[in-house]
Amino acid sequence: DTGVSQNPRHKITKRGQNVTFRCDPISEHNRLYWYRQTLGQGPEFLTYFQNEAQLEKSRLLSDRFSAERPKGSFSTLEIQRTEQGDSAMYLCASSLEGGLAVVYEQYFGPGTRLTVT
Amino acid sequence: KNEVEQSPQNLTAQEGEFITINCSYSVGISALHWLQQHPGGGIVSLFMLSSGKKKHGRLIATINIQEKHSSLHITASHPRDSAVYICAVRVQGAQKLVFGQGTRLTINP
Repeated sequence: DTGVSQNPRHKITKRGQNVTFRCDPISEHNRLYWYRQTLGQGPEFLTYFQNEAQLEKSRLLSDRFSAERPKGSFSTLEIQRTEQGDSAMYLCASSLEGGLAVVYEQYFGPGTRLTVT
Repeated sequence: KNEVEQSPQNLTAQEGEFITINCSYSVGISALHWLQQHPGGGIVSLFMLSSGKKKHGRLIATINIQEKHSSLHITASHPRDSAVYICAVRVQGAQKLVFGQGTRLTINP
């Protein structure tokens, strides 16, 4: 399977615990995006990386959230001291950008569904 | 007001009907995406367009840049088309996608 993969697919945690999600993009893709989707809503942008550099962060990304892409390949999203409001689907997408096209397709992973009890 | 608005929010139709989902946006864009999301969460890209019209099988997407409006049409709808359809735009000069709230489509046999 050469698509975007995310692990775990589901995570149930108690309030106050830390959780970490992983995203493996399509192998040659240089851009990696994180989005969050709450029930009944469209996804919302959290952050994105160009290779290993984190270039933009949404104001939704509070100081309890941190994302890394240390070698420009896989990325991790950590949530510290989880709250019930963090319950959502966390989606990762990747794209290959920097050529002649103006806009590039983003390919989405299956998501990690987080439930905070 | 959201930058991307979809209508209707929910749509139920009978198998075989012609389906239209609308998307309006209020910002300058470099591209518009139509995405499909099935229960369980996975998102599949259906179309990416910046002008005109694209067709793939029974799906047709159109965009009118001047009116800031796009439509997704499904001909000869089938129960397997039941899903959430999401419109997303790439704002000019930005890298992220801004999403509509989605349209939940149910096709009954």
